[in-house]
Amino acid sequence: KAGVTQTPRYLIKTRGQQVTLSCSPISGHRSVSWYQQTPGQGLQFLFEYFSETQRNKGNFPGRFSGRQFSNSRSEMNVSTLELGDSALYLCASSSSGGASGELFFGEGSRLTVL
Amino acid sequence: GENVEQHPSTLSVQEGDSAVIKCTYSDSASNYFPWYKQELGKRPQLIIDIRSNVGEKKDQRIAVTLNKTAKHFSLHITETQPEDSAVYFCAASDYGGSQGNLIFGKGTKLSVKP
Repeated sequence: KAGVTQTPRYLIKTRGQQVTLSCSPISGHRSVSWYQQTPGQGLQFLFEYFSETQRNKGNFPGRFSGRQFSNSRSEMNVSTLELGDSALYLCASSSSGGASGELFFGEGSRLTVL
Repeated sequence: GENVEQHPSTLSVQEGDSAVIKCTYSDSASNYFPWYKQELGKRPQLIIDIRSNVGEKKDQRIAVTLNKTAKHFSLHITETQPEDSAVYFCAASDYGGSQGNLIFGKGTKLSVKP
């Protein structure tokens, strides 16, 4: 069974630009969660999608958005990038949602904002 | 919302010693408490979890204890080995409740010295 795939793995952007990250979950998983990982801050929850609907949202500004397609693939978008958005963005898939069962993480997309 | 505090942020032990990482949570409705291990440059992976109807769970050298009254839970690693060196994250969620998503602590960097 293929694992969670995230693309791109690395990207460099400048302030003010926008970025779109993609996540393909494990086949059969309907839940995709997104986390921002920065040194010292751990894993901060961005949002969770389940069957194309946003089920939960963390405390991030509206510049952070996401969506999920009918094949469960998910994208997250960050508009008007700021230096503080530099981080590793992890997506995780699960069959029912991380709140009740195991999350399977991708390798992440490392975003650098200059 | 839920808040998870994790201590210590760094922990160094000699090979063969035990290691204990402690977490506290704020939402008494939380009922699922997983622990994830993230090796350097790798993705986080679930190592053990516990639900609120259980006070302790063991899996070989690792164990987790939960005190719902005090709202804290701990990870215990016995007979530590160099391959246990990693960052460990605790998390809490109230599946089916107001949040239904995992909130992570900020992580503990464990170093096991041979």
